[in-house]
Amino acid sequence: GQQLNQSPQSMFIQEGEDVSMNCTSSSIFNTWLWYKQDPGEGPVLLIALYKAGELTSNGRLTAQFGITRKDSFLNISASIPSDVGIYFCAGQFGDSGYALNFGKGTSLLVTP
Amino acid sequence: NAGVTQTPKFQVLKTGQSMTLQCAQDMNHEYMSWYRQDPGMGLRLIHYSVGAGITDQGEVPNGYNVSRSTTEDFPLRLLSAAPSQTSVYFCASSWDSANNEQFFGPGTRLTVL
Repeated sequence: GQQLNQSPQSMFIQEGEDVSMNCTSSSIFNTWLWYKQDPGEGPVLLIALYKAGELTSNGRLTAQFGITRKDSFLNISASIPSDVGIYFCAGQFGDSGYALNFGKGTSLLVTP
Repeated sequence: NAGVTQTPKFQVLKTGQSMTLQCAQDMNHEYMSWYRQDPGMGLRLIHYSVGAGITDQGEVPNGYNVSRSTTEDFPLRLLSAAPSQTSVYFCASSWDSANNEQFFGPGTRLTVL
């Protein structure tokens, strides 16, 4: 599958700080999705993006579908301890049919 | 709705053994898929199905078989387990390919000795 470059690989922040992570691809994507995975659980969908330039919020989370359709970012404002987990970007590109390609994840640690 | 369910939650196999990982969803989703998750590798697609009776290969299909006899169920079969198949396996489903907001099950942690 197409390689998604997700960064940073890990983040260690204090409660109350804002967080930003992003994904880039060499291919144009039709869809960008952001998931969070808690230890021992399956990924849970946070935000779905379907249009270039689209900016969508879900509570303290905001994500954008890049204008070039090759990147996306996720911001978390005023982080809290329960934000701890692994965040994955996933994308669907034109010739992939139904397949989602996943980034390798950003591990977020939040200290009180 | 129970959502996406997977059984078993944990499994240990010996090399060469076969087994089936079960996946079921009660949301009447057309699209179902299997992923494996390995440290530092993210999630990789094994097989997927766009509807009952239709399956196709993903990125890493070797060593795995699937079938989709009903909309609800999508079992994953390991024909002859190998240590390289030690992984966490996730099943996911979505309405269809246009709405690819996939919902994931809780996972099966498989160890092959």
